[in-house]
Amino acid sequence: ETGVTQSPTHLIKTRGQQVTLRCSSQSGHNTVSWYQQALGQGPQFIFQYYREEENGRGNFPPRFSGLQFPNYSSELNVNALELDDSALYLCASSLPGTGDEQYFGPGTRLTVT
Amino acid sequence: GENVEQHPSTLSVQEGDSAVIKCTYSDSASNYFPWYKQELGKRPQLIIDIRSNVGEKKDQRIAVTLNKTAKHFSLHITETQPEDSAVYFCAGSGNTGKLIFGQGTTLQVKP
Repeated sequence: ETGVTQSPTHLIKTRGQQVTLRCSSQSGHNTVSWYQQALGQGPQFIFQYYREEENGRGNFPPRFSGLQFPNYSSELNVNALELDDSALYLCASSLPGTGDEQYFGPGTRLTVT
Repeated sequence: GENVEQHPSTLSVQEGDSAVIKCTYSDSASNYFPWYKQELGKRPQLIIDIRSNVGEKKDQRIAVTLNKTAKHFSLHITETQPEDSAVYFCAGSGNTGKLIFGQGTTLQVKP
């Protein structure tokens, strides 16, 4: 298992609410990427953070936002939740200097009702 | 736009047989191709990867091949075991570090 952790494990929210998901990267990893995985599909890239700055974004609306902290942990915030936001949210961290090897956390299962 | 196509979507083999999963990519700038194994309810686990300057890479029973000209890469699992049963995802990325995933292949290894 990798050292990437995520919280909470599961979350149930109502449409229109806001949610914050958290990720602690593996020790020494300064890059964190967030992915959304709908049931039966591959993960889709949301955005990436490197040294506290957004470093690339996928095709997700602005109500998906993020932060990275000086200790390289990260948050994903989703405003105005929609039913289609129900998914597994994965974060992945990378070692500096190893290119693109990304190691995933266990994910947060978000259900929007 | 960037796209990774993966085939087949499901694959059933007898224990001990080989399994092959194929992916094609559209972005010529892609230079890194990892494969992930995801068991039910668990995180995707990196099992092998290949970079564009290499044509083939092996790790015990697992191998990956890359054909840059044709823009396709494949995962080969030999001597399959029941514990190999899982969903396998291919992915590609360029210099941005953004992974584009295929749709996944559900591999079932029958004892």
